Amino acid sequence: ETGVTQTPRHLVMGMTNKKSLKCEQHLGHNAMYWYKQSAKKPLELMFVYNFKEQTENNSVPSRFSPECPNSSHLFLHLHTLQPEDSALYLCASGTGVNTEAFFGQGTRLTVV
Amino acid sequence: QKEVEQNSGPLSVPEGAIASLNCTYSDRGSQSFFWYRQYSGKSPELIMSIYSNGDKEDGRFTAQLNKASQYVSLLIRDSQPSDSATYLCAVNIDQFYFGTGTSLTVIP
Repeated sequence: ETGVTQTPRHLVMGMTNKKSLKCEQHLGHNAMYWYKQSAKKPLELMFVYNFKEQTENNSVPSRFSPECPNSSHLFLHLHTLQPEDSALYLCASGTGVNTEAFFGQGTRLTVV
Repeated sequence: QKEVEQNSGPLSVPEGAIASLNCTYSDRGSQSFFWYRQYSGKSPELIMSIYSNGDKEDGRFTAQLNKASQYVSLLIRDSQPSDSATYLCAVNIDQFYFGTGTSLTVIP
């Protein structure tokens, strides 16, 4: 039990679908992150939020749209994805620079 | 460019041996360093954090940091088959930078 909860755990979607990934943290952290992990590749940072403000967007395609309504919740809205977007999507939270981050269980996304 | 480099392995050690995992980083301004363990199909789990030069021990795990040489290592004593996983080195400067991970297999 990590204190960072992601739903759903598994998701299969067609290229024309719209879906959302949800992340919730109960650790009182102010920073939240979305990472993508593809097979045999390192973690790729997608988005960073600090105190609900987006502070990092690592050139992520617009078919991925993040939303952070408050410091405890983070969403990743997905639309018109491509098969190469199939990956493990990880949410993490932390208290910012120079501190550790804690990961949720991840969402295994398959785009068909 | 801020980089974290790890030997991707795979690294195999017999049960009961010491496993040594190494990581180098490029940014001399780095202040905080972390080791995560990731089992296949699971998310990364924080196992060690280290901020000062020297050694930090936690059970069978010892993290070693040398800022002058810009490396951080993880030693696992009395390795167990359950330690078989990918180990990720991370540095938090303005954001987290992860290495590609080292795959460790402990052979019973």
